[in-house]
Amino acid sequence: AQTVTQSQPEMSVQEAETVTLSCTYDTSESDYYLFWYKQPPSRQMILVIRQEAYKQQNATENRFSVNFQKAAKSFSLKISDSQLGDAAMYFCAYRRNTGTASKLTFGTGTRLQVTL
Amino acid sequence: DGGITQSPKYLFRKEGQNVTLSCEQNLNHDAMYWYRQDPGQGLRLIYYSQIVNDFQKGDIAEGYSVSREKKESFPLTVTSAQKNPTAFYLCASSIIGRVAGPSYNEQFFGPGTRLTVL
Repeated sequence: AQTVTQSQPEMSVQEAETVTLSCTYDTSESDYYLFWYKQPPSRQMILVIRQEAYKQQNATENRFSVNFQKAAKSFSLKISDSQLGDAAMYFCAYRRNTGTASKLTFGTGTRLQVTL
Repeated sequence: DGGITQSPKYLFRKEGQNVTLSCEQNLNHDAMYWYRQDPGQGLRLIYYSQIVNDFQKGDIAEGYSVSREKKESFPLTVTSAQKNPTAFYLCASSIIGRVAGPSYNEQFFGPGTRLTVL
């Protein structure tokens, strides 16, 4: 079974600084996707960034980027120039690429606080 | 606007009652999912469906039931057999298939329903 581990329950960053959230996963599959979701106080799940396992290049979306280390099964999220609106729960998630419906397996989340 | 709607936003249930949570999508997605979120935990899959009149159990299906009579709708019933139903419930949908392009593997989430047992 696939598992996703987020070892940082809480993180704090000052506005305009950079923070990295950690995620490791375990799978025997070779074709899969990894995601970071943001859940603000409204509790709406918002996709931040995705990474296809077959792509070696790390995904980037504006201030958000990942460090994908396939051999180490590590998938960290870097937030640059942190803003107050980045404060939220962040979930790392894994999904097999099956060509059919497949579940997302989530980590337990990291609560990010952004301070002035 | 395309998206997923869930209703109600808040739901209260007395012990022994069944309650049904609504999920509707107008994204023309084939697959729909129900997840449960508890404090300090990530989301866990309850049920999912790939096509009308077909659905599969997820990791924590006991005490829940679903139906998929229409492509757009995937209601979740929390039965009295669910011993600890108080949680936040999220519905999601996605396309199916190995199709390249933006959002081809993304699950879109609804705003959720908070269920509390009194």
